[in-house]
Amino acid sequence: AQSVTQLGSHVSVSEGALVLLRCNYSSSVPPYLFWYVQYPNQGLQLLLKYTSAATLVKGINGFEAEFKKSETSFHLTKPSAHMSDAAEYFCAVRSRGSGTYKYIFGTGTRLKVLA
Amino acid sequence: GAGVSQSPSNKVTEKGKDVELRCDPISGHTALYWYRQSLGQGLEFLIYFQGNSAPDKSGLPSDRFSAERTGGSVSTLTIQRTQQEDSAVYLCASSLIEGGYNEQFFGPGTRLTVL
Repeated sequence: AQSVTQLGSHVSVSEGALVLLRCNYSSSVPPYLFWYVQYPNQGLQLLLKYTSAATLVKGINGFEAEFKKSETSFHLTKPSAHMSDAAEYFCAVRSRGSGTYKYIFGTGTRLKVLA
Repeated sequence: GAGVSQSPSNKVTEKGKDVELRCDPISGHTALYWYRQSLGQGLEFLIYFQGNSAPDKSGLPSDRFSAERTGGSVSTLTIQRTQQEDSAVYLCASSLIEGGYNEQFFGPGTRLTVL
């Protein structure tokens, strides 16, 4: 069965510092991978997605993620944190070629940006 | 409409009462998903509908929960004999299943409070 693990339910970084949010997946074949962001009192929106075209995926607001098959990881990074990045981030996985369109979400990481 | 809409935005009910939550997906989207978001619990998959296929109900927590999707569009999630542990934000998402990797578009959610 597929699963997603997000290490660290809360992450704090200083403004201007590197953001690193971790996501590891468990799947028999490389799945489709997604990062969603939920700003306070707003709905979830897609940050970026991995579909196999390229292992380094660039998303909105300067975020990017790298798919590493050997590590079964899809960590989210941003070189320099802004105050506006404070939000909750969810990693999600969807199986490929299994005939199901079910998404599995991680438990989320709440990012706090310190001035 | 332009996005996924959900109603009501907030629902307060008494323990033991039934509630119905509505989701209007993006027009033309063939897949519709329901999730439950509890504080600190991330997104919990409940059910999804894809076209005319039988829905995947594997995430429904008990037989008090059910959902319908009429005419391949609007969906209603019904919770019978509500319990306090049902209090959460219920999110709906829709997706156009083409190419295998399409993103989900989320509604703003319905916040359910069971007293």
